[in-house]
Parts: sequence; C-alpha cells; structure tokens
Amino acid sequence: SQQGEEDPQALSIQEGENATMNCSYKTSINNLQWYRQNSGRGLVHLILIRSNEREKHSGRLRVTLDTSKKSSSLLITASRAADTASYFCATERSGGSNYKLTFGKGTLLTVNP
Amino acid sequence: GAGVSQSPSNKVTEKGKDVELRCDPISGHTALYWYRQSLGQGLEFLIYFQGNSAPDKSGLPSDRFSAERTGGSVSTLTIQRTQQEDSAVYLCASSLVYATGELFFGEGSRLTVL
Repeated sequence: SQQGEEDPQALSIQEGENATMNCSYKTSINNLQWYRQNSGRGLVHLILIRSNEREKHSGRLRVTLDTSKKSSSLLITASRAADTASYFCATERSGGSNYKLTFGKGTLLTVNP
Repeated sequence: GAGVSQSPSNKVTEKGKDVELRCDPISGHTALYWYRQSLGQGLEFLIYFQGNSAPDKSGLPSDRFSAERTGGSVSTLTIQRTQQEDSAVYLCASSLVYATGELFFGEGSRLTVL
C-alpha cells in the first residue's frame, strides 16, 4: 500500500495564484521529500524536510511537516505556467531497513496562463 | 554522463518475449533503485542495490523479474515472458549514499507489451 497519499489528486489554478498540495503518511519517518515530474519525464527532487524540522523554504517553495498529524504540505507561491507538473511526496521510514523511498500517487497541478 | 541514463527510452514488445532495460547511474553513486510507474499512478518500488548486491528483492512483482548490477555501476532489469500488465514506465534512480538524501532519476524506459 502507498505510504504517502497526496491531496488533491488534481489542482487547476491561474498563473500568479498560490498552489497548496498535501501529503499524509502512515508510519514514523526520518524525512519526507517532494519531487516533481513533468509529463513523460523522470522525477526531479525539490526539497527534503527532516523529521525534526517543521518548515523549510526553497525559492518559491514552502514545505511544512507535522509529525503529530503525519502530514506535510507543499506551497508554491506566485505560480507560473512552467510549474505545471505532477508533484509527489516520498517518505523514508524510520527504523528497520531504510533503503527506499515510498511514493504517493501524486497531485497533478495545472497552471493556466 | 552528468545524469542517470536509461535505455531504451521506448520499447514495444510482444507478449511472451523477454526484455532488458538498462540503467547507467551517476558516477560514484553507490545506491541504485528501480521503480515502476503505471499510467497515472505513483511509483512502485521494485529493487535497490547497494554496490553490486541487492539485499531486498521483495518488491519484484514475480519471478519473471530479475535485476543485476555489475562493477557497482550499470544495472539491468530483465523481464522474462512479458505480459500486458508489465506495460509501464520503468524508472531508475541513484543516490550518493545508501538510504538517505535525494534520489536522482533517469527519464525512464516506457515498456509496451502488445
């Protein structure tokens, strides 16, 4: 089963608006990562937030992590048409064999010019 | 090369044929991962390598799937007697060290089984 579940499945906004995507997960984690995938391409790493961090910024991206609620959010501010892509959260479980990231099904973001 | 390279980028095959998918990771990356992505779905973990060894193969969907890695570099994912449900994009990723930090993905190999 998927460790991470993104919400919403699809999001359509106008250029200049902010986009917020959410991710929920089930187990304790070491870190949570967000990736972006343009149609027909591989995934590109955006940002990593560790379990002892609550918020992190990178350019127009803001990620929050609430370990008590087992949830994270990705905010893209002042969106651009080029931000159109699928966004995935991925979690690295704590304890045991930390050899893989477990991905959700993604949020498809469409930014209309 | 500068990034993770996968070949072929597209493969169309007939049901029952064997296919080999190749991944060339970033030089110096010790960890290598294979994922499968079906249309509109998330990524399904298949297998990872630390060096040439694959400590856990439990993500492979069936015994028709196998993978190897040689010289701590190139990896090959082999699917024998392909079935239509094997149709998907097979993504390879590498990371500098085991089990931490970001993964660097290739562009994927799109497999279509007719």
